[in-house]
Amino acid sequence: AQKVTQAQTEISVVEKEDVTLDCVYETRDTTYYLFWYKQPPSGELVFLIRRNSFDEQNEISGRYSWNFQKSTSSFNFTITASQVVDSAVYFCALSEAGRGYSTLTFGKGTMLLVSP
Amino acid sequence: GAGVSQSPSNKVTEKGKDVELRCDPISGHTALYWYRQSLGQGLEFLIYFQGNSAPDKSGLPSDRFSAERTGGSVSTLTIQRTQQEDSAVYLCASSSKDRGSEAFFGQGTRLTVV
Repeated sequence: AQKVTQAQTEISVVEKEDVTLDCVYETRDTTYYLFWYKQPPSGELVFLIRRNSFDEQNEISGRYSWNFQKSTSSFNFTITASQVVDSAVYFCALSEAGRGYSTLTFGKGTMLLVSP
Repeated sequence: GAGVSQSPSNKVTEKGKDVELRCDPISGHTALYWYRQSLGQGLEFLIYFQGNSAPDKSGLPSDRFSAERTGGSVSTLTIQRTQQEDSAVYLCASSSKDRGSEAFFGQGTRLTVV
C-alpha cells in the first residue's frame, strides 16, 4: 500500500540556516508523482513542486531545492538561507497510477519554525 | 477570484445537526477533491470527482458523509447527524484532467461540532 513518511515532526532553525525536510515514500507502482506542499499559518495548502517517477533530476527554484532518489525512495526538500516567512507546515505527497493519479497520499507534515 | 473558494470558512454546529460545506473549484478544472485535516489523522482523502465519471467515494469515513457536484463545477459536502469526531478542517481542491497534475487547494472550512 502507498505510504509517505515524514519522520521530522518539527524543526526549529535560526534565520539564514539551511534546512532539509525528509520524505520517504512507499509504492508498488513504477509510475507515480511526488509533490511538496506548504501550509502557512493561514491554512491554505500551497503547491511547491511536482516530480514524476521517471525524472530523477534534482531541481532548484531560488532558495528551494529537491533531491529525488528512487534508490532510497526519498524526495527531500532543502531550503537554503531560511527566512522567517518560510515558517509553515510542509507536506510531502504521492499520487499513483494504481489509483489513476486521482488522489494524494500525504505524509503527516513537518512543522518548520524559523526564528529571527 | 482565480483560486478554489470554500464556504463557510468556519462553522460551529451542535452534535446531531446536518451541515453542508461548499466548494467552488478553479474554472476549467475537471477534477475536484475533498480532504479532511485533523490533528490526529493528518490529511485524509474523502472523495474525488472527475468530469462526468462516477465519483471515487472510497475515503468517506461513514454513510453520514456524502458529496455531490452539480454541473461539473460547484460541489457540496454534506455531513448528517454530526459527531464531535467530525470536527476538522475540510479542504477542497481542484486540478486539470492531466495525469498527475497538481491539485490547488482552497483555504478550507473549519468545522467544530459542540
